[in-house]
Amino acid sequence: DTEVTQTPKHLVMGMTNKKSLKCEQHMGHRAMYWYKQKAKKPPELMFVYSYEKLSINESVPSRFSPECPNSSLLNLHLHALQPEDSALYLCASNKGRRSDTGELFFGEGSRLTVL
Amino acid sequence: GQQVMQIPQYQHVQEGEDFTTYCNSSTTLSNIQWYKQRPGGHPVFLIQLVKSGEVKKQKRLTFQFGEAKKNSSLHITATQTTDVGTYFCAARGRSGNTGKLIFGQGTTLQVKP
Repeated sequence: DTEVTQTPKHLVMGMTNKKSLKCEQHMGHRAMYWYKQKAKKPPELMFVYSYEKLSINESVPSRFSPECPNSSLLNLHLHALQPEDSALYLCASNKGRRSDTGELFFGEGSRLTVL
Repeated sequence: GQQVMQIPQYQHVQEGEDFTTYCNSSTTLSNIQWYKQRPGGHPVFLIQLVKSGEVKKQKRLTFQFGEAKKNSSLHITATQTTDVGTYFCAARGRSGNTGKLIFGQGTTLQVKP
């Protein structure tokens, strides 16, 4: 069982829809991440939040909008997506202290299909 | 940007045979991590290597970090069907940006019973 919970597990949306992916962890981690993973490819970093502030945006298109309401929650708001955005979206967390280079805890992912 | 090259992309072995995957970087790494992703699953942390020349073992898995901290390997002895999955190395650069963990392309292991 993973300690990072993602909802929904599956999402199908049209290109004009607005939807959100949610991620929650209660391990006291202060860094949270969004990764995108296409089939047979490695996870690709999208965003990093450190202490609830956006610290890394890997030049992600604005149709993806991250939000970190508090230290336990991470959202990814989706709007006007394209079919090529269909992928597995993985949330991850770790302790996030500057000296910490520890493991990432991944959620099970949200599988997104854009029609 | 930093890249981590991983080979081979795929490996098919007979159960009981050994398996090795390799990661290489053109830059010195502060540390390297290894993850396993089962088919349909999510990446799960296996280990982190930090020291030059470090070798760590987990049962049938042996992890090595090169002396120059630019390469790493994962070796599985006597594979089992439960070893099936994709193995990723992941690394942060020496610049110390702890947020940016970059994954190698992964090696997908198939084990024939």
